[in-house]
Amino acid sequence: SQKIEQNSEALNIQEGKTATLTCNYTNYSPAYLQWYRQDPGRGPVFLLLIRENEKEKRKERLKVTFDTTLKQSLFHITASQPADSATYLCALDLYGGSQGNLIFGKGTKLSVKP
Amino acid sequence: SQTIHQWPATLVQPVGSPLSLECTVEGTSNPNLYWYRQAAGRGLQLLFYSVGIGQISSEVPQNLSASRPQDRQFILSSKKLLLSDSGFYLCAWRHLRSGNTIYFGEGSWLTVV
Repeated sequence: SQKIEQNSEALNIQEGKTATLTCNYTNYSPAYLQWYRQDPGRGPVFLLLIRENEKEKRKERLKVTFDTTLKQSLFHITASQPADSATYLCALDLYGGSQGNLIFGKGTKLSVKP
Repeated sequence: SQTIHQWPATLVQPVGSPLSLECTVEGTSNPNLYWYRQAAGRGLQLLFYSVGIGQISSEVPQNLSASRPQDRQFILSSKKLLLSDSGFYLCAWRHLRSGNTIYFGEGSWLTVV
């Protein structure tokens, strides 16, 4: 069965540094890979989506890469701020919406210290 | 714009009691609807999804059930709660016309005592 792993349960960094979160998967490469942010006690909020034929996607201070050879996605937050502290989830979208199910990782809790 | 609401936000229920969580979506039609559960340290687990009225697919065998009586209404139920049913329950929707992202509700905290 398809598995998804986010290597770190927690990541602590200093304000202003770049945070890099890792998402690895097994078996099939998904049509899409998505990243979400979840604050405590709230539902996840969509951040970025990257397609299997894309290498990199950017949105403001966020950057996502997708390496189907390594079966890995990296999520970067540059010039991190304490407000970026949250849990970040990656999700596999195997079929690009035809079945509509996402497989989520357990998340990485990011703490940005001032 | 589309919105999703689920309730109640918090509830404490005794073991063996029934459960009903309700979710409604506004501003779209014929969405895919989902119920997820998030237990501590276990990530998001897909429980049920629905692609249309009366169409329910179960991902995990358990004592929960789901129903979709109307296009934009999704209900999660149980006849008898177990301690292991405690967790954070999230309703979500998705529509191909809205891209491939999934939109979550505010969540419902369930504690079974």
